[in-house]
Amino acid sequence: KNEVEQSPQNLTAQEGEFITINCSYSVGISALHWLQQHPGGGIVSLFMLSSGKKKHGRLIATINIQEKHSSLHITASHPRDSAVYICAVPYNTDKLIFGTGTRLQVFP
Amino acid sequence: DGGITQSPKYLFRKEGQNVTLSCEQNLNHDAMYWYRQDPGQGLRLIYYSQIVNDFQKGDIAEGYSVSREKKESFPLTVTSAQKNPTAFYLCASSPGQVVSPLHFGNGTRLTVT
Repeated sequence: KNEVEQSPQNLTAQEGEFITINCSYSVGISALHWLQQHPGGGIVSLFMLSSGKKKHGRLIATINIQEKHSSLHITASHPRDSAVYICAVPYNTDKLIFGTGTRLQVFP
Repeated sequence: DGGITQSPKYLFRKEGQNVTLSCEQNLNHDAMYWYRQDPGQGLRLIYYSQIVNDFQKGDIAEGYSVSREKKESFPLTVTSAQKNPTAFYLCASSPGQVVSPLHFGNGTRLTVT
């Protein structure tokens, strides 16, 4: 069993739809990262959160430490949101475990 | 603008040759990391360094080597001992430990034939 699991693996949406990507983990953590990987391969850090909710533009990340679950929401999705979204959790002070990613395609 | 530069973007080598991937950052970050990405798998840690002149093996260090002679530079050498070197390689940095925000380069796609 993977220590970090994301769902769904693939997601397609029409422009304007509300998107939810989920991340469940089995290790105890102090913080969780959400990352975005564009088709060219570069990765951008979206959020790092340890409790509650964070919002940046149309992106919202939530985390429930007790349930070991985090969600990434995209409101009013747009084709430029098409990317792979990855969650990652620390398993000690130096290392991260990465999920395998959720591939999102948003069509006009 | 501060950031991480990886070069080259694409790299082709013949089997049996060593190859060095470059990673430079101007963010003044202490920690630097090398990850490997294969289709259908999460990123896997190859090596990391928390300070200059010190580095640690990650989960898949066999067949790789690194150096950290300068704070801004963390080159990765893929040696001929790496059994399956064809992959996408990502360099990252952070101000401190992994509970700090990460900054990634754009990656190098290595193909070995």
